[in-house]
Amino acid sequence: GENVEQHPSTLSVQEGDSAVIKCTYSDSASNYFPWYKQELGKGPQLIIDIRSNVGEKKDQRIAVTLNKTAKHFSLHITETQPEDSAVYFCAASGGGTSYGKLTFGQGTILTVHP
Amino acid sequence: NAGVTQTPKFRILKIGQSMTLQCTQDMNHNYMYWYRQDPGMGLKLIYYSVGAGITDKGEVPNGYNVSRSTTEDFPLRLELAAPSQTSVYFCASSYLLGRTDDTGELFFGEGSRLTVL
Repeated sequence: GENVEQHPSTLSVQEGDSAVIKCTYSDSASNYFPWYKQELGKGPQLIIDIRSNVGEKKDQRIAVTLNKTAKHFSLHITETQPEDSAVYFCAASGGGTSYGKLTFGQGTILTVHP
Repeated sequence: NAGVTQTPKFRILKIGQSMTLQCTQDMNHNYMYWYRQDPGMGLKLIYYSVGAGITDKGEVPNGYNVSRSTTEDFPLRLELAAPSQTSVYFCASSYLLGRTDDTGELFFGEGSRLTVL
């Protein structure tokens, strides 16, 4: 089955700095790669996703890049703010009817210091 | 819309007891899922359903059962609770795939924290 590795496990930055979280996956058949943000006591919430036919996607301060050859994808957050502090999860799945059958990474605790 | 609602939020069970975690969604989503989250780990898929009357196993189904009699409800049953089932359980739902406006997004509930002693 699919295996997703996520690094780093914790990340501490100053407000205004950039943050980068990296993930690798094992199954070359995976073609959907979402990122979820989980705030304390809440369920995960989708912040951005990318499909295998796209190499990069951006949404305001958040961007995701995908390298299918190397089987890795990354989340980039620019101009970080204290409200970005949360746990971030990468995930992977096949397409079609398998979108929701996600394999998650272990999570990254991001702390943004004012 | 309330979204995805899970009950109870917290529960303590003794070894060998049984219980049902309730999940309901009001977004008319066809797909529903149960994930568990252990400390310091990502979420793992327990069971999922593509519509009423249809369920299938995920990565970690042992010790659990599900049913899907309606589009809205997807309860998770724990039989003979074991300490290894201590975890936070998340229910999620998503649109029927294939729609032109489908983003693949899963909508999660707030979780049910279960402790088995």
